[in-house]
Amino acid sequence: EVQLVQSGAEVKEPGESLKISCKGSGYSFTTYWIGWVRQMPGKGLEWMGIIYPGDSDTKYSPSFQGQVTISAGKSITTAYLQWSSLKASDTAMYYCVRQGDYDFDYWGQGTLVTVSS
Amino acid sequence: QSALTQPASVSGSPGQSITISCTETSSDVGGYNFVSWYQQYPGKAPKLMISDVSRRPSGVSNRFSGSKSGNTASLTISGLQAEDEADYYCSSYTSSSTWVFGGGTKLTVL
Repeated sequence: EVQLVQSGAEVKEPGESLKISCKGSGYSFTTYWIGWVRQMPGKGLEWMGIIYPGDSDTKYSPSFQGQVTISAGKSITTAYLQWSSLKASDTAMYYCVRQGDYDFDYWGQGTLVTVSS
Repeated sequence: QSALTQPASVSGSPGQSITISCTETSSDVGGYNFVSWYQQYPGKAPKLMISDVSRRPSGVSNRFSGSKSGNTASLTISGLQAEDEADYYCSSYTSSSTWVFGGGTKLTVL
C-alpha cells in the first residue's frame, strides 16, 4: 500500500527556520516525482515544486522559487520542505504528493505550519 | 491569479447532474490533455478523482466523469449524492514542466 506520512504540526516564530518531512512507503521511492502543495487557511491549492529522488532533479513554481527548498533522502525514502526564515504568510497546511503520470495520485495527510509571534 | 479558472460555487439537488468547468486562461497550459481533478472534504487531504482529462482511477465512482473541449475541461457528477458535497480542484501540467491548480469550486448539494 502506497503511503505518504508527514511530520507533525509546527508552531514557529517569524524569522525561524523549519524543515518538514514526508516519508514514502509501499512503492519505489526513487522512481516517482514527489512534490509539495500549499493550502493557506480557507484558500485553494497551490503547487510549490517537485523533486525526483532518483537524481534530485527539482522544479519549482515561480511563486515559490527562492522561498523554499525541496530535498530528498532516497536512502530513507523521505522528502523535505524547508524554509530558512519563516514569515507569518507561510502559515498554511502543506501536503506532500506523489506524482503519477501527469497527476497527483497519492497525498500525505498534511502538515500544519503556524508562524506567529 | 491562477492560469485555470473555475466557478467559485455550484449547486444541485440529489439525483441531478452538475458540471464544473476549468478554463485555461494562459497559453502555458493550452493544448495539454493532462488535466486532473481532485475532491477535498473540509479538513482532509485532496483525493484524485479524474486524471488525463477523463481517466477515472480505480475505486472512483463512475458517477464522476471528465471531458475537455477547446480550452475548457469539465468535471461532471451524475446522480448527485449528499456525500459529493466538497471542494473540487482542477490541475494541469504546463509548458514550463510545472503544475497549476484552479481556484477551486465549492459544490453544495441542496
